Amino acid sequence: KAGVTQTPRYLIKTRGQQVTLSCSPISGHRSVSWYQQTPGQGLQFLFEYFSETQRNKGNFPGRFSGRQFSNSRSEMNVSTLELGDSALYLCASSTGLAGGPGTGELFFGEGSRLTVL
Amino acid sequence: AQSVAQPEDQVNVAEGNPLTVKCTYSVSGNPYLFWYVQYPNRGLQFLLKYITGDNLVKGSYGFEAEFNKSQTSFHLKKPSALVSDSALYFCAVRERERNTDKLIFGTGTRLQVFP
Repeated sequence: KAGVTQTPRYLIKTRGQQVTLSCSPISGHRSVSWYQQTPGQGLQFLFEYFSETQRNKGNFPGRFSGRQFSNSRSEMNVSTLELGDSALYLCASSTGLAGGPGTGELFFGEGSRLTVL
Repeated sequence: AQSVAQPEDQVNVAEGNPLTVKCTYSVSGNPYLFWYVQYPNRGLQFLLKYITGDNLVKGSYGFEAEFNKSQTSFHLKKPSALVSDSALYFCAVRERERNTDKLIFGTGTRLQVFP
């Protein structure tokens, strides 16, 4: 079973640009979550999508957005990039079904490392 | 709101010795607790979880964790550390205020196992 795939793995942008990151979840998983990881702030939750609907959202500005497609693949977009957006962006998938044996267990991708210059 | 705390930024242990990585939690209701490990330049890997049942949970790579309700702790343990266990370890709690798979992570503890 293929794992969670994130593309691109590395990218460099300049301030003011925008970026789109992609995540393909494990086959059969309907929930995709996004996290930002930085040395200073640790792992911060961005948002979660389940069956194409945003089910939860963290405390990030509106420049951070996401969507999920009918095949469960997800993209996140950051507009008007700032230096502080430099981070490792992690995508995680899960069944998304509360109460099941996999409840809460997330499967993470390798991440997309964004550097903003 | 749910939260977890990892009081140690780094834990150093000699290979072959037992290791403990500490985690305490603050939740309303019964907690869903997790441990994840992150190797350099990699994503997070699931180690184990506690949802209900036995307080001692066994997970991947010989790790185990003990859920202690009275001390609100969920410490990660391994009887004999390996150099390859050196990594960043995260404790997490599932947010249960809504039907979601959002995890709240601790700040992480870097484990360094010396040969």
